[in-house]
Amino acid sequence: DSGVTQTPKHLITATGQRVTLRCSPRSGDLSVYWYQQSLDQGLQFLIQYYNGEERAKGNILERFSAQQFPDLHSELNLSSLELGDSALYFCASSKEPGSVGEAFFGQGTRLTVV
Amino acid sequence: TQLLEQSPQFLSIQEGENLTVYCNSSSVFSSLQWYRQEPGEGPVLLVTVVTGGEVKKLKRLTFQFGDARKDSSLHITAAQPGDTGLYLCAGGETSGSRLTFGEGTQLTVNP
Repeated sequence: DSGVTQTPKHLITATGQRVTLRCSPRSGDLSVYWYQQSLDQGLQFLIQYYNGEERAKGNILERFSAQQFPDLHSELNLSSLELGDSALYFCASSKEPGSVGEAFFGQGTRLTVV
Repeated sequence: TQLLEQSPQFLSIQEGENLTVYCNSSSVFSSLQWYRQEPGEGPVLLVTVVTGGEVKKLKRLTFQFGDARKDSSLHITAAQPGDTGLYLCAGGETSGSRLTFGEGTQLTVNP
């Protein structure tokens, strides 16, 4: 158990819909990362938050957004869903955003868009 | 954009054999992590290396960070079926903390 909690574990929804994925980081970790893992693209960095502020942005679509709340949990919002958004979405956390930070991953949310 | 290339992409060996997985980049990373991922689960951190030339051992696993901090290798001695999984390397960027992942090496160890 990495200590990073993601809910829900599975999500099935229709195209055009909006979903929210939730992540609780490990106790004491201030930094949260979101990654998308699909069969054809591997693990792709989406976005990072540190202590409530956006820190780094990766290949995140405009239809996706995220935030980190004062209690440090984070949510990833996916809207206008398309079939191609079906993937595993992982949250990871680390104590600090420094270059030697070690990220621990949650078990992921498997999103299926039908 | 920094890229990490892993090789081989797939590896199927017999129990007891040794193997090496490579992770290469043209970019310098401040740190390099190795993860192991099983189907439907999140990547599990195995090791972090930060110093060029660093070697770390974890039981039968040996990790090495290249002198120039652009490449790394994972060597498994006497592989066991329990070692089966997707091995991912990830580089930590000096500008921040995002990790750039390689595409992974799918290892299958047959009994």
